[in-house]
Amino acid sequence: GAGVSQTPSNKVTEKGKYVELRCDPISGHTALYWYRQSLGQGPEFLIYFQGTGAADDSGLPNDRFFAVRPEGSVSTLKIQRTERGDSAVYLCASSEGTSTYNEQFFGPGTRLTVL
Amino acid sequence: EDQVTQSPEALRLQEGESSSLNCSYTVSGLRGLFWYRQDPGKGPEFLFTLYSAGEEKEKERLKATLTKKESFLHITAPKPEDSATYLCAVPYLSGGSYIPTFGRGTSLIVHP
Repeated sequence: GAGVSQTPSNKVTEKGKYVELRCDPISGHTALYWYRQSLGQGPEFLIYFQGTGAADDSGLPNDRFFAVRPEGSVSTLKIQRTERGDSAVYLCASSEGTSTYNEQFFGPGTRLTVL
Repeated sequence: EDQVTQSPEALRLQEGESSSLNCSYTVSGLRGLFWYRQDPGKGPEFLFTLYSAGEEKEKERLKATLTKKESFLHITAPKPEDSATYLCAVPYLSGGSYIPTFGRGTSLIVHP
């Protein structure tokens, strides 16, 4: 079956611009997570959704970052006034629930480059 | 401070040369430990979940074990296709939810 998909695969933008990154989770998965991964680092948690609501957004670095999941399926990560330090790979993962034992399925990521 | 530490950062092996990767963690009340494999340009791929000390799981040439303070990923007679970065993650309590915290990973290269 279809896995987690993310678009675009690559995004190059200029400092100060606004970007949107999209995640399509596995059908039926209620939990959706966003992570950010810098070179040589493990994924860093940003936010997770249970259904339509953001259950935990404690990993968002500042108020320039925002994410939505209006219908409980597709999610969009939005970054305003991008900075060079925002350059990283943004990963999305989904799972059947939020139990700590639930396997997370990751998408291929969106590589964001801020010039 | 709760954290997850992986060692070594990088490992080069000859094909057939067995070895182990380490993941140490500090948490009270472990809620599972996850191992993932990540290939360049791709997202992490789930390998194993371990729940309690003494537990072991195997998949092909990989075997994961767990103690109260660390986990090992043993690679037996590796092949070049086992080359990847191996990540471990431990859920930590954050604002009422358990959020996986990842280590930096071990980059494994297996030479033919």
